[in-house]
Amino acid sequence: DAGVTQSPTHLIKTRGQQVTLRCSPKSGHDTVSWYQQALGQGPQFIFQYYEEEERQRGNFPDRFSGHQFPNYSSELNVNALLLGDSALYLCASSLDALVTEAFFGQGTRLTVV
Amino acid sequence: AQSVTQLDSQVPVFEEAPVELRCNYSSSVSVYLFWYVQYPNQGLQLLLKYLSGSTLVKGINGFEAEFNKSQTSFHLRKPSVHISDTAEYFCAVSGPGGSYIPTFGRGTSLIVHP
Repeated sequence: DAGVTQSPTHLIKTRGQQVTLRCSPKSGHDTVSWYQQALGQGPQFIFQYYEEEERQRGNFPDRFSGHQFPNYSSELNVNALLLGDSALYLCASSLDALVTEAFFGQGTRLTVV
Repeated sequence: AQSVTQLDSQVPVFEEAPVELRCNYSSSVSVYLFWYVQYPNQGLQLLLKYLSGSTLVKGINGFEAEFNKSQTSFHLRKPSVHISDTAEYFCAVSGPGGSYIPTFGRGTSLIVHP
């Protein structure tokens, strides 16, 4: 089992551009959550997808959007990038809605210049 | 609303010494509690979790934590640390008050010196 895989591992974008990050959940997991981890901070919840629908959303602007595909993989899209969007973006998958155990990918390091 | 406070941003300790990483949470309802570890340039890995039952929880790599409801704490302990335990440790809380979405603390950097 490959666990949770994310791509790309690193990305450099220019302010104002758009970016798409990708995540494949652990085998058998149908719930995918996305987190933003700024340097020196804990992960902050962006949103959660289940059955191709956004089920929960954190305190992030509409520039952050997502999608879940029938095979449970997911994308995170960020439009109109700001310097403050520079962070490690983590994807986590879980087997149940109560998230009693989340499995994290290694993350995508996004740098906005 | 739920929140987590990790009282120490950095904990230096010598190899083979015991360590305690402190975590306090705030929630008005029953909670699930977690400790995750993050090694450099990696994602988070679950160390242990409290969902219900015994308040003393044992996890991987020799770590344990005790749920104290009256003090709203969930401190992480290890009796003897190794160099390889050097990492960032995150406490998290979830429950019905937050729709079961884990809320993470800011992390504690454990630095083990030889």
